[in-house]
Amino acid sequence: EAQVTQNPRYLITVTGKKLTVTCSQNMNHEYMSWYRQDPGLGLRQIYYSMNVEVTDKGDVPEGYKVSRKEKRNFPLILESPSPNQTSLYFCASSLQFPSYEQYFGPGTRLTVT
Amino acid sequence: GDSVTQMEGPVTLSEEAFLTINCTYTATGYPSLFWYVQYPGEGLQLLLKATKADDKGSNKGFEATYRKETTSFHLEKGSVQVSDSAVYFCALSGGVDGGFKTIFGAGTRLFVKA
Repeated sequence: EAQVTQNPRYLITVTGKKLTVTCSQNMNHEYMSWYRQDPGLGLRQIYYSMNVEVTDKGDVPEGYKVSRKEKRNFPLILESPSPNQTSLYFCASSLQFPSYEQYFGPGTRLTVT
Repeated sequence: GDSVTQMEGPVTLSEEAFLTINCTYTATGYPSLFWYVQYPGEGLQLLLKATKADDKGSNKGFEATYRKETTSFHLEKGSVQVSDSAVYFCALSGGVDGGFKTIFGAGTRLFVKA
């Protein structure tokens, strides 16, 4: 089944404790992206990747890191999480940018206390 | 920079009513435009898309036309069902100023009453 998977689905952590949210797609997509969803703000793009070893900042990259060492994986790293990073996070992938649709993972709900 | 503006919700309709959710955008060049839908507790999924001016995207009775002259991509459905209750997002990819970013609107929540 073609899909985007994220882990974990739920995470509660404390300020400053490094964490990684994994994202994997099995569709051989070139473009991958991370978003955060906050009430009233819609989805805001954190980072995106056009292909292996090619990543760039979205609109809200502060406090996050990413890497794209393999085509299928695109982990999101929070090296020192803070409470303002409490949010719902989505990973997405697309065959090609910009005219192909993005396929979204199920989301990771992160709470930082 | 590029931006997407959607009508604020929530929108509450009775079953079989006509639906319009407005979406306007600001972008240079010829971006691709999308409508995504999010059902409770799920990720987003594509509803329809249009990749050039005057294209009409359609799916499951929903339609939207890419209007470059009015920079709009309004979502319409002639007769909504209870199962259409969800949050709808308008999105833009590939504007000249946006580079390889994707810009989403704030989302519009739709409630359909039986």
